[in-house]
Amino acid sequence: SQQGEEDPQALSIQEGENATMNCSYKTSINNLQWYRQNSGRGLVHLILIRSNEREKHSGRLRVTLDTSKKSSSLLITASRAADTASYFCATAAFRNQGGKLIFGQGTELSVKP
Amino acid sequence: DSGVTQTPKHLITATGQRVTLRCSPRSGDLSVYWYQQSLDQGLQFLIQYYNGEERAKGNILERFSAQQFPDLHSELNLSSLELGDSALYFCASSEGGGVAKNIQYFGAGTRLSVL
Repeated sequence: SQQGEEDPQALSIQEGENATMNCSYKTSINNLQWYRQNSGRGLVHLILIRSNEREKHSGRLRVTLDTSKKSSSLLITASRAADTASYFCATAAFRNQGGKLIFGQGTELSVKP
Repeated sequence: DSGVTQTPKHLITATGQRVTLRCSPRSGDLSVYWYQQSLDQGLQFLIQYYNGEERAKGNILERFSAQQFPDLHSELNLSSLELGDSALYFCASSEGGGVAKNIQYFGAGTRLSVL
């Protein structure tokens, strides 16, 4: 079974609005990553946040991490139609075997022009 | 373009058959990961190889096996195929073998249809 739960499962917004996606996980982590997947295509890495970090920014992306609540959020500001995709959080467990990532089930974001 | 190459893009086969999926990692990456993505199970980690050796194993069926060759390309072999094996199979690569440097670069995937 997957480690992460993402919320909401689907999100529909207008261009220019902000989109917030949440992720919860179960075990202690070394890092948490967010990936994006355009329909049926490969995943693209967006951002990595380590367990000792609370917030990270990359362009229009802002990620927060609350290890006490075992949760993370991804905020996309000033969304564009091109941001339409599925977004996945992925965790690397603290006591990890190798570099494997456990993915959440994803949030499907639709940005309407 | 992620730099990870997967072949073939599509594969249609029958139950009971065996197929091989191929992956070439990004230049300089030593780890190769295999994932299976389906509607009901989501994205599931199958197995990781690092510099030719198995590093981590997930929920990989006994009917499935993988290997990484000296040139670092990898193959995933799926045998005695069942209808439920129909899915998108992704290969990813990373520079390192552990949690450090484990940002993963994904190929475009192989869509397997078992009829």
